[in-house]
Amino acid sequence: GIQVEQSPPDLILQEGANSTLRCNFSDSVNNLQWFHQNPWGQLINLFYIPSGTKQNGRLSATTVATERYSLLYISSSQTTDSGVYFCAVLRGTNAGKSTFGDGTTLTVKP
Amino acid sequence: GAGVSQSPSNKVTEKGKDVELRCDPISGHTALYWYRQSLGQGLEFLIYFQGNSAPDKSGLPSDRFSAERTGGSVSTLTIQRTQQEDSAVYLCASRRRSGRSETQYFGPGTRLLVL
Repeated sequence: GIQVEQSPPDLILQEGANSTLRCNFSDSVNNLQWFHQNPWGQLINLFYIPSGTKQNGRLSATTVATERYSLLYISSSQTTDSGVYFCAVLRGTNAGKSTFGDGTTLTVKP
Repeated sequence: GAGVSQSPSNKVTEKGKDVELRCDPISGHTALYWYRQSLGQGLEFLIYFQGNSAPDKSGLPSDRFSAERTGGSVSTLTIQRTQQEDSAVYLCASRRRSGRSETQYFGPGTRLLVL
């Protein structure tokens, strides 16, 4: 099956710093999402981005499908950004099985 | 409208007992997923329902696990003869289709502890 690798596994930042999280995948996909899992365990959808670039406030994401990677940018980080960031990929328009990476654990210190 | 809801929030059971976990998806969502997340780990796909199609059960870890989706809405995940290694958070997600978007929305999860 498809492999999804996220890096770095852990990241510690000072409040206000910027960061880049990476997601590599081993085969072509037509569905890629970024999620944030907060310290209480709730998964929040950040972006649906199988290709191109999107921005939402301090967060933006870019997927280069031909090179099989996606990047999540966090600017001016805040303590509330702490948690685990997952990317998930899905192949085929109607295929159900989505594959998650192991996540990047982000800690933002005040 | 309301998000995905799951019940119970927490479940403690004894090894060998059966448990049922419930998921209420967002109204009108066509697809429903179950995942399992062990402590400090990523999400493990279990099963996927899409409309009236046969479910994709390829992620179920053993025949002790089964799931149903009644009327294309509520889903129940059943674990028979629970084992300690079944302890995890069980997450449900539903998916809408908006143009080309296939966004999954997650419930809060059920935390299962098997003693």
